[in-house]
Amino acid sequence: EDQVTQSPEALRLQEGESSSLNCSYTVSGLRGLFWYRQDPGKGPEFLFTLYSAGEEKEKERLKATLTKKESFLHITAPKPEDSATYLCAVQAEGVRGSTLGRLYFGRGTQLTVWP
Amino acid sequence: SAVISQKPSRDICQRGTSLTIQCQVDSQVTMMFWYRQQPGQSLTLIATANQGSEATYESGFVIDKFPISRPNLTFSTLTVSNMSPEDSSIYLCSVRYGGALTGELFFGEGSRLTVL
Repeated sequence: EDQVTQSPEALRLQEGESSSLNCSYTVSGLRGLFWYRQDPGKGPEFLFTLYSAGEEKEKERLKATLTKKESFLHITAPKPEDSATYLCAVQAEGVRGSTLGRLYFGRGTQLTVWP
Repeated sequence: SAVISQKPSRDICQRGTSLTIQCQVDSQVTMMFWYRQQPGQSLTLIATANQGSEATYESGFVIDKFPISRPNLTFSTLTVSNMSPEDSSIYLCSVRYGGALTGELFFGEGSRLTVL
């Protein structure tokens, strides 16, 4: 059973067309929710960590928000260089047999921004 | 943020052979993690490597298949043994600063293995 579900799987936007990516999770006792960006052939690049519902963080055109069941990554006026796969991961207390500090990742949303 | 170097960045291997991936970090860390990223799948934790103790493996991964070394606080290796095409994947080394329960997780660039 997936702990983390990301949607949509793929998203195509025209440059300047704002949108949101979703990350829903089913774990209990959330200790942190993480967003990463991954370019082809590269390792994931850390973007944000959110720890509690209501928390928001921003970086350039990206803004991450968190509720008790999901997180959104809002992309405002995207540019072609924002094209990448965006990964969401959670760390939780409530996962049975969970290794200390383990993160559970979603499958990612592949974002393409065309000019 | 951490500087994490992995070698090799990519390799093509024959079935039945073994390959060792190296991970070097620019500062001392207690815990290092090895993840696998298969096409279309989420990142999956293989094992946690602590310096001075045996690695801790996740369900579905065993030491005979993925032996890990952690000789010091800045270096680790992961060996993929007796490879089959199903082992074709990206293998990622990662470290976490700020303790096991807090702080950000940083990744290396990954090692892309193709097994023929």
